[in-house]
Formats: sequence, structure tokens, C-alpha cells
Amino acid sequence: EPEVTQTPSHQVTQMGQEVILRCVPISNHLYFYWYRQILGQKVEFLVSFYNNEISEKSEIFDDQFSVERPDGSNFTLKIRSTKLEDSAMYFCASSDRSGGTGELFFGEGSRLTVL
Amino acid sequence: RKEVEQDPGPFNVPEGATVAFNCTYSNSASQSFFWYRQDCRKEPKLLMSVYSSGNEDGRFTAQLNRASQYISLLIRDSKLSDSATYLCVVNRGTGNQFYFGTGTSLTVIP
Repeated sequence: EPEVTQTPSHQVTQMGQEVILRCVPISNHLYFYWYRQILGQKVEFLVSFYNNEISEKSEIFDDQFSVERPDGSNFTLKIRSTKLEDSAMYFCASSDRSGGTGELFFGEGSRLTVL
Repeated sequence: RKEVEQDPGPFNVPEGATVAFNCTYSNSASQSFFWYRQDCRKEPKLLMSVYSSGNEDGRFTAQLNRASQYISLLIRDSKLSDSATYLCVVNRGTGNQFYFGTGTSLTVIP
């Protein structure tokens, strides 16, 4: 069964360091997302991406965050200068349809710990 | 007001019980509705979409009340494996942003 894969599964970093989280969406999907979930809290939308550009982003997705699809398979989330409050589980998701008509398929997540 | 609100629970029910979860959403223009399941420290997975006419999948029944902006999930004959957090998810339909509720925690007790 096709799946979304994410690396690394866990990353520990020092405050102020740059972090890149990587995702390989399902191959025929066109819509890509990053969500985050702080421990014990709800899943929060960060950004959606379609046709090589950001289609929507939330207030959380400030100038410290960026996304890229550097090749035909990877979808990355970069945090330029990490803060303690960036510690969370980051989920990548993909969908084959827009506007909420399609199922979101999530990766297993990348746990980021900022010290 | 939060986009999606759920009773966080926890709900602790015996095996075989019927349990119902509720969810309200604030934006009347919302178009698509879903229930996702999330196991502890795992990714969310789609349980079922929620259609206007209501829909059933085995022991699970989902209902949508657009007038009241309310979604429900009913689980019959609870199994131990149903223990998880159930996430109510709403999409406005005008974009790609899905809004998640905080989730309702269910523990099914032997």
C-alpha cells in the first residue's frame, strides 16, 4: 500500500539551529501539507502546497518556516532558527484531491526536540 | 471561537458498549467533514468521511447536522482495539486547509 514517508523520525537540535524535515508523499498525489502537533495538543495546520507553490499557510507558518519540493519526490520543511516552542511532532500529508474532497494520508511524523 | 470543538473526554467504556462523540464547527460554509483516528504517538488515519445523509461503516455511524453545525460519531459494540483518540476534521471547501478538533480520547475496558 502506498504511504507517505518522513525522515528523520526524531531530531534533537539546539535552539537557533536550522532543521530540515523531509517527506516523500504518495507518488500520484498532487497536494502536500505540513501539520504539527505539540505533545498533548491538537493537530495544527502549517502549510499546503500545490503546483510547486504554497497554496495556503497558517499564522504559525512565519518567516522562520519554508517549504520546498526540490525534485519530483521530496517535500521538505525547513525551520531556519529553531525555538523551544517549535518542539513538536511534524506530520507531512498528501492528498490526490483538493478542497477537502480527498483523504489526507499522513506520514508517521518527525519528532523535533529543541533544547 | 475555535474552528472545531470536541469534548476531550476521556471516555472509558466497557467492551461491547455503545459510545457517541460530538463535534461542532464554527464556519457555516464548511463543506467536508471527517472523523480521523489517532493512536498514541502515531499519525492520524482516516476513519470515515461524513456525508450529509449520514453514513455507516460496520460498527461506526457518522451523522452531520448542517443546521446545528454538528457532527457525531457512534461506535457500537466497542472493542478493545477501538481505544484511541478520535479527531473531528472539517474543511471549508474553499481551500486546502483542514481544521482539526482537539480529539476525544476513548478507552475501552475489558
